[in-house]
Amino acid sequence: GAVVSQHPSRVICKSGTSVKIECRSLDFQATTMFWYRQFPKQSLMLMATSNEGSKATYEQGVEKDKFLINHASLTLSTLTVTSAHPEDSSFYICSARDSRGRGSQPQHFGDGTRLSIL
Amino acid sequence: AQSVAQPEDQVNVAEGNPLTVKCTYSVSGNPYLFWYVQYPNRGLQFLLKYITGDNLVKGSYGFEAEFNKSQTSFHLKKPSALVSDSALYFCAVREGDSGNTPLVFGKGTRLSVIA
Repeated sequence: GAVVSQHPSRVICKSGTSVKIECRSLDFQATTMFWYRQFPKQSLMLMATSNEGSKATYEQGVEKDKFLINHASLTLSTLTVTSAHPEDSSFYICSARDSRGRGSQPQHFGDGTRLSIL
Repeated sequence: AQSVAQPEDQVNVAEGNPLTVKCTYSVSGNPYLFWYVQYPNRGLQFLLKYITGDNLVKGSYGFEAEFNKSQTSFHLKKPSALVSDSALYFCAVREGDSGNTPLVFGKGTRLSVIA
């Protein structure tokens, strides 16, 4: 089945560090990927839609200079949390849908990245 | 605008008993409906979907869901719950033929199956 690989699974770093999270679709192409953030015991909050070869679309309230998204190929999107601070600590999850399929195809999710900023 | 409501934060059920996790939705066009499960510190795992056709859809791990257009519901069910079914369940919707828009998720329902 369709697999989305997300790396790293856990990051612990000091305040002010920039952290890059990778999201890869392993057996399908994805012109669009989605980045979510999940707080403890809460639902997923869509942060941005990553578009291959063009700028990402950010949801209202999400700082585009803080959360840099690059979608350089049909199988890879990256989210960089720049100058991370403790309030950025969260569980980040990426998702992708097979571009060749219709909209009825499910979104497939990575296993998430637990980011802890000290 | 699309939206999903999961009215229960928590559902408790005894092992071996049937379980139901409720979901209602709102879309302006035809709905594409999905259920996902999330285990601790993991991403979401696809369970099943309704696109068109038979209102009762069967998915992974013995789960099924029934699409009810008049009640705009898509409740998740399983005839006999297992302790290993304990997890967080999300219902999601997107409007059919809406291009490459993301799914809209409910807030999730935590299912606890007690031995």
